[in-house]
Amino acid sequence: EPEVTQTPSHQVTQMGQEVILRCVPISNHLYFYWYRQILGQKVEFLVSFYNNEISEKSEIFDDQFSVERPDGSNFTLKIRSTKLEDSAMYFCASRAFFGANVLTFGAGSRLTVL
Amino acid sequence: AQTVTQSQPEMSVQEAETVTLSCTYDTSESDYYLFWYKQPPSRQMILVIRQEAYKQQNATENRFSVNFQKAAKSFSLKISDSQLGDAAMYFCAYMEGGTSYGKLTFGQGTILTVHP
Repeated sequence: EPEVTQTPSHQVTQMGQEVILRCVPISNHLYFYWYRQILGQKVEFLVSFYNNEISEKSEIFDDQFSVERPDGSNFTLKIRSTKLEDSAMYFCASRAFFGANVLTFGAGSRLTVL
Repeated sequence: AQTVTQSQPEMSVQEAETVTLSCTYDTSESDYYLFWYKQPPSRQMILVIRQEAYKQQNATENRFSVNFQKAAKSFSLKISDSQLGDAAMYFCAYMEGGTSYGKLTFGQGTILTVHP
């Protein structure tokens, strides 16, 4: 069964450092998402991406965050200057086409900011 | 803004018994979708079941079924014949059918413990 692949599975970084989380969505999917889950809390929407541009972003997704699809397969989330409160599990998800209502999630990337 | 509320932080069930997890949501939209996701200790998000709001019939997937009460804005998950592998965090989620299609709003989650 096709799956969404995320790397790294766990990254530890120092406050103020830049981090890039990578995702390989399912190959024929057109819509891409990043979600965040702080430990013990609910999963929160960060950003949606379609046709090489952001479709929607949440209040959490401030200027420290950016997304891009540098090639035909990878979808990345960059955090420019990490803060302690950025420590969380970051999930990438993808959706096939306009009418498809099922998101397939990756296994997540755990980010720890020290 | 849409909100999703899961009022049961924790639930427990004996193996082979039935358990129901509650979820309510608030929306002014008529076109939307509801989901239950399972998150085991690995923290992978796994889709359990989904319901389209325009469908009156409750969705079922093997041992999992929902009780969708549109007027009451309630969407509960029933797990029958519970198994040890059902132990996980369960999230109820809402997706709007309009311009935010694809964006999920999650509830706070319910931790389900299954006792042998």
